[in-house]
Amino acid sequence: AQSVTQPDIHITVSEGASLELRCNYSYGATPYLFWYVQSPGQGLQLLLKYFSGDTLVQGIKGFEAEFKRSQSSFNLRKPSVHWSDAAEYFCAVGAVDKGNKLVFGAGTILRVKS
Amino acid sequence: DTEVTQTPKHLVMGMTNKKSLKCEQHMGHRAMYWYKQKAKKPPELMFVYSYEKLSINESVPSRFSPECPNSSLLNLHLHALQPEDSALYLCASSQDGRMYNEQFFGPGTRLTVL
Repeated sequence: AQSVTQPDIHITVSEGASLELRCNYSYGATPYLFWYVQSPGQGLQLLLKYFSGDTLVQGIKGFEAEFKRSQSSFNLRKPSVHWSDAAEYFCAVGAVDKGNKLVFGAGTILRVKS
Repeated sequence: DTEVTQTPKHLVMGMTNKKSLKCEQHMGHRAMYWYKQKAKKPPELMFVYSYEKLSINESVPSRFSPECPNSSLLNLHLHALQPEDSALYLCASSQDGRMYNEQFFGPGTRLTVL
């Protein structure tokens, strides 16, 4: 079965510092992978997605993610964090063989300190 | 317009009430989704409509009844809910339900069942 693991429940970084959020997936075939961001009390916004091709994917708001098949990982990175990046981040895998269902990880809450 | 709207924003209901949640999009999308998100948890898929037909029901209790009257509208009818059904209910839409098409999320309805 498809699953997504986000090992870090909370992460705190200083404003201007770099950020890496970890995501590991379990899926038999080539996965469809996504990163979403959710601000408190809000819906989810897609940051980026990977289906095939270049394993380094650029997204919105200066985020990027790298797909590493050998490590079953899809980590999200940002070189310099802004206070407005404080939110919850969800990694998700698309289960094509389950009616194109999105399976989300547990989420990582990012806190930014000034 | 890339907006999914949901009404109401907040809803408080008793266990004997009947209420409905409404979701609307005008992006011409043909797939619409209901997710349930408990506090500090990731969203969990409930239902998917594709071309106005119910394509996925994730074994949701019958006290939740979805309806898709047309391609722009999605309703979730609630009846005899339990306090554990209190959650943020998110609606999403995508172009046609295929995995590589982005799901656009609404801001959600915060439901409290007393």
